[in-house]
Amino acid sequence: AAGVIQSPRHLIKEKRETATLKCYPIPRHDTVYWYQQGPGQDPQFLISFYEKMQSDKGSIPDRFSAQQFSDYHSELNMSSLELGDSALYFCASSSGLAGRVESTDTQYFGPGTRLTVL
Amino acid sequence: AQSVAQPEDQVNVAEGNPLTVKCTYSVSGNPYLFWYVQYPNRGLQFLLKYITGDNLVKGSYGFEAEFNKSQTSFHLKKPSALVSDSALYFCAVRFLMDTGRRALTFGSGTRLQVQP
Repeated sequence: AAGVIQSPRHLIKEKRETATLKCYPIPRHDTVYWYQQGPGQDPQFLISFYEKMQSDKGSIPDRFSAQQFSDYHSELNMSSLELGDSALYFCASSSGLAGRVESTDTQYFGPGTRLTVL
Repeated sequence: AQSVAQPEDQVNVAEGNPLTVKCTYSVSGNPYLFWYVQYPNRGLQFLLKYITGDNLVKGSYGFEAEFNKSQTSFHLKKPSALVSDSALYFCAVRFLMDTGRRALTFGSGTRLQVQP
């Protein structure tokens, strides 16, 4: 079965540079979530989109932005990178069931993008 | 606020023995509870979830979990551990009635080590 695709898998950047991470959800999934997992940490929710609109916002820094496109893929844009941004960034997708909060949708995760900031 | 606790950083078990990975939660309403497994340099793989209904939930790879409302626990279990089960396990909660949050809150993770 098709899974969540993330690109690139690895990315190395210098401080103050920008980075763009891409996520392609499972076909027919309309909701995308971004998580950040620091070394030895649990994943922390950053932001999510349902039907191309931002649906929830977590601990995403102002230097980061994201959007979901008409084909449901999503991009996480990171600017003015800092050493502390080095982490594994996961994308997950689910079927949002018309965006109802009581949805029982399961989030399926991609393999992640490992970002290293030097 | 919702939270999830995994009290054990690591669990060691011999192959063939039963395993239990503990998880407790704290929410003010009905919880949606999940277990994910993470292998090295891999993403999070969904194992199972509890939404409503039977307290014993069966999932992938022979894993199961028991929802206990009175103890606010959702422990992951497997009758007979395999060496290949060695990985990092995360418990997560999604709060049902919080209109502002549809994301998952994860526990700190438990590393399962199965010895041959």
